[in-house]
Amino acid sequence: AQSVTQLGSHVSVSEGALVLLRCNYSSSVPPYLFWYVQYPNQGLQLLLKYTTGATLVKGINGFEAEFKKSETSFHLTKPSAHMSDAAEYFCAVSLNTGNQFYFGTGTSLTVIP
Amino acid sequence: DAGVIQSPRHEVTEMGQEVTLRCKPISGHDYLFWYRQTMMRGLELLIYFNNNVPIDDSGMPEDRFSAKMPNASFSTLKIQPSEPRDSAVYFCASSLLGYRAFFGQGTRLTVV
Repeated sequence: AQSVTQLGSHVSVSEGALVLLRCNYSSSVPPYLFWYVQYPNQGLQLLLKYTTGATLVKGINGFEAEFKKSETSFHLTKPSAHMSDAAEYFCAVSLNTGNQFYFGTGTSLTVIP
Repeated sequence: DAGVIQSPRHEVTEMGQEVTLRCKPISGHDYLFWYRQTMMRGLELLIYFNNNVPIDDSGMPEDRFSAKMPNASFSTLKIQPSEPRDSAVYFCASSLLGYRAFFGQGTRLTVV
C-alpha cells in the first residue's frame, strides 16, 4: 500500500531562515513524488516533482527536494524563507502508472518577520 | 467525519458518452475544489466554489466540462461528450475558509 506522512502539521521559521518540510512515503514500487503549495483561498500549485533521474529536484520559488530512496523521504527545502512562502504545503506520491495519487495531510508554514 | 467522498472510484466509458463525477465535501467546509491529475500536466485546478457559488472556473478546459454545486453537501463534475484525452484522475477537495484542503480519493476516468 502507498501512503504519505508529513511530519509536523505546523512549521514556523524566521524570515531568511532555512525552510525544511518533511515528507516520508511508503510504496511497493518506485514512486513519483510531488510537492504542492496552496495559498489561502486558492487551489494547489505544483512546486516540483520527481519521476526519474537526478534525485535533487529544483522547483519554483527557490524550493528544492531530494529523493532519498534509502530513507523513503522527499523533504522540501528552501535556503532562505520569504514572507510570501507562508502557505500550506502538500506532499504527494503516485505509482508510475499514474493511476492513483496519495496526498499527505499538509504542513502549514508560517514565516515570522 | 468520513472525509471527502467521491464516486465512482473508477469509471470506464466510451468516447462521446456523458460522464458525471460526484463529490460530497466534509460537513461545514465552505470551499470545494475540483482538480484533474495527469502525469503529463500534474494537478490542475478546474474550478472551485465558495459557499456553493463558482468563484473561478478558468481551469475548465472546454465547454464540454461543467460543474455544479446545488447545495453545501454535494457537487458534480460533468463531461459531455467525453473524449479519450479526458482520461485522468479527478480529485475533489474541500476546505474551511479556503485553507488546508482535504482531498477525496479521486475518480479514475478512462475514456476509450
